[in-house]
Amino acid sequence: GAGVSQSPSNKVTEKGKDVELRCDPISGHTALYWYRQSLGQGLEFLIYFQGNSAPDKSGLPSDRFSAERTGGSVSTLTIQRTQQEDSAVYLCASSQSGIMQYFGPGTRLTVL
Amino acid sequence: DAKTTQPNSMESNEEEPVHLPCNHSTISGTDYIHWYRQLPSQGPEYVIHGLTSNVNNRMASLAIAEDRKSSTLILHRATLRDAAVYYCILSLRGNSGGSNYKLTFGKGTLLTVNP
Repeated sequence: GAGVSQSPSNKVTEKGKDVELRCDPISGHTALYWYRQSLGQGLEFLIYFQGNSAPDKSGLPSDRFSAERTGGSVSTLTIQRTQQEDSAVYLCASSQSGIMQYFGPGTRLTVL
Repeated sequence: DAKTTQPNSMESNEEEPVHLPCNHSTISGTDYIHWYRQLPSQGPEYVIHGLTSNVNNRMASLAIAEDRKSSTLILHRATLRDAAVYYCILSLRGNSGGSNYKLTFGKGTLLTVNP
């Protein structure tokens, strides 16, 4: 079956611009996570959605980062006024149980 | 946060078993032990998880010490496709409900498989 998909696969932007990254989770998965992986670093948790519950935003690095999940399915991660340190691979994962997470291929963001 | 310690790298030969160790001496009683792996230029892939008992699935086995302060991921017959970074992670149940198992990834173990 279809896995987690993310778009775009690559995004190059200029410092100060806003970007939107999209995640389509596996159908029926109620839990959705966003992570990011900077060059040479491990994955860093950003935000978690579960059904209609309030999201866990504890990993968002600044108020320039926000995310929403519409209709319990597709999620969009928005980064406003991008900075060079935002350059990373942004990964989305979905899960039915929460324990086994299925990751998408990621979006590579480059901020010039 | 409970942390894990893994060797930076390990090497194996194809078709031989591989034992990847992980120390987690500060694990709490409700922490699950997860293993994920990441192949080059791909997102992480779930391998296995456990709580107290040893676990087996089609990909690997997980041996958990009786005191839960360490665990070992066992690949029974390594293939070239198993070359990846392997992450041992303790789940941190966070906010927003009982199924929030946000994962904190460390540096992992880079496994090289020789033909």
